[in-house]
Amino acid sequence: DTAVSQTPKYLVTQMGNDKSIKCEQNLGHDTMYWYKQDSKKFLKIMFSYNNKELIINETVPNRFSPKSPDKAHLNLHINSLELGDSAVYFCAAVSGREQYFGPGTRLTVT
Amino acid sequence: LAKTTQPISMDSYEGQEVNITCSHNNIATNDYITWYQQFPSQGPRFIIQGYKTKVTNEVASLFIPADRKSSTLSLPRVSLSDTAVYYCLVGDRGFGNEKLTFGTGTRLTIIP
Repeated sequence: DTAVSQTPKYLVTQMGNDKSIKCEQNLGHDTMYWYKQDSKKFLKIMFSYNNKELIINETVPNRFSPKSPDKAHLNLHINSLELGDSAVYFCAAVSGREQYFGPGTRLTVT
Repeated sequence: LAKTTQPISMDSYEGQEVNITCSHNNIATNDYITWYQQFPSQGPRFIIQGYKTKVTNEVASLFIPADRKSSTLSLPRVSLSDTAVYYCLVGDRGFGNEKLTFGTGTRLTIIP
């Protein structure tokens, strides 16, 4: 079984659209993160989410919003997509100091 | 905010030991050092973690000097399947760790 899964794996969309990326974990961990990996392969944390408490990296535009319908899911909603949003997005489930990453979603904004 | 610096790339032959160093001069007292491995089109995968001195597991060793301003990931007897990008991550374990800082990553290429 895949510990952390993401859908879709690829997402191509036009500027101005609103899209969502889903993340599911079957590890039972309380904390989940969303990361953005840009074309230079820099990994930057966007959000931390734990038991309905959300901590946002202050550099993340408010067009991005995580939504957690239950403990196993942390979805990422993006409004009014921009060209600069093109990147690979990873979610991770956290246990102690160890993170379990999903396979990533490659978002391309045209 | 502990910024990390790693070599951009390294090459090594199969069967050799590979050492990748990460500099983190501003590491805080509560920060741990974690190394991740990333293959193309996959998410990073945990390799090893430590706070000080030496840590060893079945795949790698991690050496941390007393001042903790750097760390070295050691991969024994590498094989072609070890070709990947290796990231150094410095941060504490707390929730809300929105300031987790990954290094720039080291692209390791193993040569047959």
